[in-house]
Amino acid sequence: QKEVEQNSGPLSVPEGAIASLNCTYSDRVSQSFFWYRQYSGKSPELIMSIYSNGDKEDGRFTAQLNKASQYVSLLIRDSQPSDSATYLCAVSETSYDKVIFGPGTSLSVIP
Amino acid sequence: EPEVTQTPSHQVTQMGQEVILRCVPISNHLYFYWYRQILGQKVEFLVSFYNNEISEKSEIFDDQFSVERPDGSNFTLKIRSTKLEDSAMYFCASRTTDTQYFGPGTRLTVL
Repeated sequence: QKEVEQNSGPLSVPEGAIASLNCTYSDRVSQSFFWYRQYSGKSPELIMSIYSNGDKEDGRFTAQLNKASQYVSLLIRDSQPSDSATYLCAVSETSYDKVIFGPGTSLSVIP
Repeated sequence: EPEVTQTPSHQVTQMGQEVILRCVPISNHLYFYWYRQILGQKVEFLVSFYNNEISEKSEIFDDQFSVERPDGSNFTLKIRSTKLEDSAMYFCASRTTDTQYFGPGTRLTVL
């Protein structure tokens, strides 16, 4: 059974702080890794994708991947109240394979 | 920006009734998916579809479920005889080589 694990939270950070979200996955053959943001009652919205070890930055977001440790993380710098949502870590075996989601981490940014 | 659309946004049905959920994937995408999310739980894969046939299905996708691409644009999920436990958000997704885009979802309520 392929699993994606995340701390469920809630994670609370003050506005302007760095939020750090972590994820581990069980399937070593996974090649594609994603972070989605989901607001209550809405669909998942892609924030970042990462495919190779190391860091990938996009604006205030940085994704980090360590395939040897089967670990993915997301850093959100200068957190804003609008970042308050559930963050879903997801992995895929190939470019065309289904995406397997973790349970999500609830983030609350306190003004 | 192109997007995945889904109709209806909310469907209420009686147990035992058939429902059809509709999706219009992004036009140049070739891989299509259905996922569901029971309230408070993680997003779960149901089925993937490519080249007019199912490429993979999960244990959830039993004989009560079927998918179809009746024309060049629509992608449908049919539940033949709904159960109370089918109540969930159903998300359609379509994919390019590296990114899966989700529709806004259909909330299915089975009474």
